[in-house]
Amino acid sequence: AQTVTQSQPEMSVQEAETVTLSCTYDTSESNYYLFWYKQPPSRQMILVIRQEAYKQQNATENRFSVNFQKAAKSFSLKISDSQLGDTAMYFCAFLPNTGNQFYFGTGTSLTVIP
Amino acid sequence: GAVVSQHPSWVICKSGTSVKIECRSLDFQATTMFWYRQFPKQSLMLMATSNEGSKATYEQGVEKDKFLINHASLTLSTLTVTSAHPEDSSFYICSARDMGPGVGNIQYFGAGTRLSVL
Repeated sequence: AQTVTQSQPEMSVQEAETVTLSCTYDTSESNYYLFWYKQPPSRQMILVIRQEAYKQQNATENRFSVNFQKAAKSFSLKISDSQLGDTAMYFCAFLPNTGNQFYFGTGTSLTVIP
Repeated sequence: GAVVSQHPSWVICKSGTSVKIECRSLDFQATTMFWYRQFPKQSLMLMATSNEGSKATYEQGVEKDKFLINHASLTLSTLTVTSAHPEDSSFYICSARDMGPGVGNIQYFGAGTRLSVL
């Protein structure tokens, strides 16, 4: 069975500062995908970044980057130069290559303080 | 990126009535769509996997007679909450995977439907 754990229910960061959200997962699969999704107050789920497990290089999308540690089964999200619009719930998600179902963590509520 | 349209965004109904929610993939074909339920400040709970041209696969504990799913085409799945009761009030989200070449199995989400049953 696949599980995704986000151990930080709530976090806050000053505007323009950097924050890291943690995510760990448990799986016996060797190939899979990892995602971070953002859910702002509008509740629309938005893809932030994704990582393919067979790629060692950490994914980067503008101010968002990940630290993917496959052996440790860790997939943290770093947000640099935090902006007020980054305030949202952030969900870490896992998709096994052999399956169809996404597994979501419980979410981290991030507040960017002006 | 790909767009998934979900309609309606908010519906209020009387107890005992049925409500249909539509989920459309606008610029890609989706043989599989997913229906989630989300309670306030909680994660998404997968209710069922909707398969085009065949029966939906329901997660344990989800009543298939209460939540009817129809995936009649490659771009449309519907969720009907039958004989809705106040405990069915929730936020329902659909999603679809774009499995086209080079896309990387990204799941796109609809904007969600807030169901309020009086």
